[in-house]
Amino acid sequence: SQTIHQWPATLVQPVGSPLSLECTVEGTSNPNLYWYRQAAGRGLQLLFYSVGIGQISSEVPQNLSASRPQDRQFILSSKKLLLSDSGFYLCAWTPGTGWAYEQYFGPGTRLTVT
Amino acid sequence: AQSVAQPEDQVNVAEGNPLTVKCTYSVSGNPYLFWYVQYPNRGLQFLLKYITGDNLVKGSYGFEAEFNKSQTSFHLKKPSALVSDSALYFCAVRVPYGSSNTGKLIFGQGTTLQVKP
Repeated sequence: SQTIHQWPATLVQPVGSPLSLECTVEGTSNPNLYWYRQAAGRGLQLLFYSVGIGQISSEVPQNLSASRPQDRQFILSSKKLLLSDSGFYLCAWTPGTGWAYEQYFGPGTRLTVT
Repeated sequence: AQSVAQPEDQVNVAEGNPLTVKCTYSVSGNPYLFWYVQYPNRGLQFLLKYITGDNLVKGSYGFEAEFNKSQTSFHLKKPSALVSDSALYFCAVRVPYGSSNTGKLIFGQGTTLQVKP
C-alpha cells in the first residue's frame, strides 16, 4: 500500500533562517505531488505542484520554492523565512493519471517562525 | 472560474441527530467532487467522492453525500452523529485541464462540525 511521510513534524525557526521540509511517498511511481499551506486551521492554499521529476509549478508568488529531485520526493524550501511563513504545511499526492483519484495527504509539518 | 463554497463556518448538532454539512460548487463541465475530514494537527483524510453514477455516494465512517446537479450542491450527511465526528470538514472539486492532468483540487474554506453529547 501507499504511504506518505513528512518531516519534521514540528519546527520552530527564527526569522531570516533557511527552511527545508521534506515529503516522500512510498508504494507508487510517477505521482503528482502537491504542497499546501494551511493558516489558522482553516482553508488550504496550494503552493506548488509537480507532475514529474524537475517539473515544478508555482501557484502563488512568495518566499518559498519547491524541488523534486527524485520521483517520490518533494522538498519545500526557503532561503530566508518571514513571520508570515508560519503555518501548517501539508504534502499530498495523487496517481499521475486519471480523473477519479482523490489526493492523499501526509501528516503535516507545523512551522512557527519567531 | 471553478469554485467551491461552504456557507457555514460551524455546524452544531447533538449526538444521535442527523447532520448535514453544505457544499456548493461552480465548474465548467462535469464536476468531480470530494469530501475530506481533518482532525486537529493532522493531515486531511479522504471521506468520499462523486465522479459519475448514483447521486447518493457512500463513504467512510458512515458518511454519505448527495450530488444535486440542478442545485450544484454536494452536501455531506450522516444519519446519526457521534461526538468523535467533531472535526473540520472540507469540500473540494477537481480542476479540469486541457491536455495534461495536474490533479489539482480547489478546496472550500472548511466547516467545523461540533457534535455535543
